[in-house]
Parts: sequence; C-alpha cells; structure tokens
Amino acid sequence: NAGVTQTPKFQVLKTGQSMTLQCAQDMNHNSMYWYRQDPGMGLRLIYYSASEGTTDKGEVPNGYNVSRLNKREFSLRLESAAPSQTSVYFCASTQRTPRSYNEQFFGPGTRLTVL
Amino acid sequence: KNEVEQSPQNLTAQEGEFITINCSYSVGISALHWLQQHPGGGIVSLFMLSSGKKKHGRLIATINIQEKHSSLHITASHPRDSAVYICAVVSHSGAGSYQLTFGKGTKLSVIP
Repeated sequence: NAGVTQTPKFQVLKTGQSMTLQCAQDMNHNSMYWYRQDPGMGLRLIYYSASEGTTDKGEVPNGYNVSRLNKREFSLRLESAAPSQTSVYFCASTQRTPRSYNEQFFGPGTRLTVL
Repeated sequence: KNEVEQSPQNLTAQEGEFITINCSYSVGISALHWLQQHPGGGIVSLFMLSSGKKKHGRLIATINIQEKHSSLHITASHPRDSAVYICAVVSHSGAGSYQLTFGKGTKLSVIP
C-alpha cells in the first residue's frame, strides 16, 4: 500500500517549457487535490477533483491545467512554465463524504525550479 | 476566506521541554487538522478534531470552538520532533465540498 505517489521528485525547467506532474493513489479515494507550497506561505490549492470525471479551480489555478485520468490518477500540467511557478507541489487525496470531512493524505512532493 | 494564524513562527527548545504551538482562525469551521512536515518535505497527518481534545503518544491537540483557537502540545520533546507543524482549518463550502485553509507553519527545532 504505497498511499499517494508523485513523479518526478525534482525537476528543473526553462521558462516556456511544459511538463506534467503525475499523482496516483491506491486508497480508492474519490477526491484528489493539487497544492503548491512557497516559502513564507501556507499551502495553497491549485485544482481539485471531487470525484472521477470532475475538476474544479482552487485558489491559484492560473497557468495550470489538470486531468483526472481515472479514479487513481490526477495529473497537473504546466503548459508554459514561468519562474513564478517555482515551488514545491503536493498532491493529496481523501474519501469525500457529503456530511463529514475526512483527513487528506499527502504525497511526498515535487520540487520544481523554473529558470 | 478563513484567515489562519499560527504562533510562534519559529521555536527552539531543549530536549525534554514541554512545547505549545498555537493556531487561531477567523471564521467558524467544520474541523481542524494538525499536520507535520518533516525536514525531507513529506507531510503527515497528526490529528483531526472538531471539539475537545485528542492525545496520541506525546502529542496532545485541543480546540476551543468558541474562541476559534487550537493548540498542539508536545510533552518531553525529542530531537526527532524537529519539523514544521501546520494547522489547517476545514470549512464547508456547500454541496458536500470542504475547503482547507492552511497556516504558514511553525518550525520547531529541538536541541539535544
């Protein structure tokens, strides 16, 4: 049981390059999330997928796109990377139920540098 | 938008000391989540609570809903407790959806 996995762990891009961050979970969770973490700031939500087939914008979606490929996998794409997207990216998942919040489980993170 | 404030931002303690980290928020919540981020970067859940108090080993978390405040206590601190501790508040955003708002974290260093 690997929990939430992310690839790659580290990536360096040049401005304008594109890349996709991969996330997968093996806990049969219905909801998945992408966050970014910047120095001096709390984690901020980029996009989330409440259930397979749906995606919604979070607090900081500009410059990103997502795909909920299936129940297990949720990818984050940077179409044209910018230095402002230098950050650590975390994927998380949870089993969302209508009346209660369940804890989120986090992946190990991807450290992205855009030059 | 819920504002989440943690204090202190940085904390250095001697091994064995009792440690308290505080979290205040501005708007009523469904639950509060304490997380630990290791020096290597991974984030793990410590507690989720909506009222009262929870204890796990040397860690104790309390929440006062009326005062919009939570505390995380570590008894008999140890160098392996060195990490960033993050408070996240859970707000119901309608239609069965929940939103997490994170504090900036408290960096704890425990010196032998």
